[in-house]
Amino acid sequence: DSGVTQTPKHLITATGQRVTLRCSPRSGDLSVYWYQQSLDQGLQFLIQYYNGEERAKGNILERFSAQQFPDLHSELNLSSLELGDSALYFCASSAPTGGRGGRETQYFGPGTRLLVL
Amino acid sequence: DAKTTQPTSMDCAEGRAANLPCNHSTISGNEYVYWYRQIHSQGPQYIIHGLKNNETNEMASLIITEDRKSSTLILPHATLRDTAVYYCIVRVGSSGNTGKLIFGQGTTLQVKP
Repeated sequence: DSGVTQTPKHLITATGQRVTLRCSPRSGDLSVYWYQQSLDQGLQFLIQYYNGEERAKGNILERFSAQQFPDLHSELNLSSLELGDSALYFCASSAPTGGRGGRETQYFGPGTRLLVL
Repeated sequence: DAKTTQPTSMDCAEGRAANLPCNHSTISGNEYVYWYRQIHSQGPQYIIHGLKNNETNEMASLIITEDRKSSTLILPHATLRDTAVYYCIVRVGSSGNTGKLIFGQGTTLQVKP
């Protein structure tokens, strides 16, 4: 158990719909990362938040958005869903290391499996 | 971040050491080598990381060559539960608290009885 929790575990929805995935980081971790894993693309970084602020963006579609709340949990919102959005969505968290660099190990949650029909 | 090259798949007998190689010939001086594994669609699991020196923890050992262009992850006594996809990742020491991980295709390790 990494200490990162994600809900729901499974989500089935229809094309055109909107869903929200939730992530609670490990206690004390300020950074939250979102990754998408589809069969044809592998694990891809989507976006990072640090202490409530967006810190880095990857290949995140405009239909997707995220935020991190004051209690540090994060939500990933996926809208106008398409069949190709079916994937595993992972959240990871890490703690700041006071500038030592490269040692902010990311710990991953169990993921949310999204199926768009 | 530097690119890594790993074999697509490897087999290992249960109880034997599993040695997983990784090439990262373009690694920069401030880039760390990280290893994660993913067991059957579960969340990636952190194994170990290092910069220059060899590292060991309760899960594995990481051997980094002196020129840092390659490394080997060693699982000393592989079990069936070690069957997974193993990812070797290099990433720059973060500044400003950024640090996305770039996953390649990894090595699928099959531990056989």
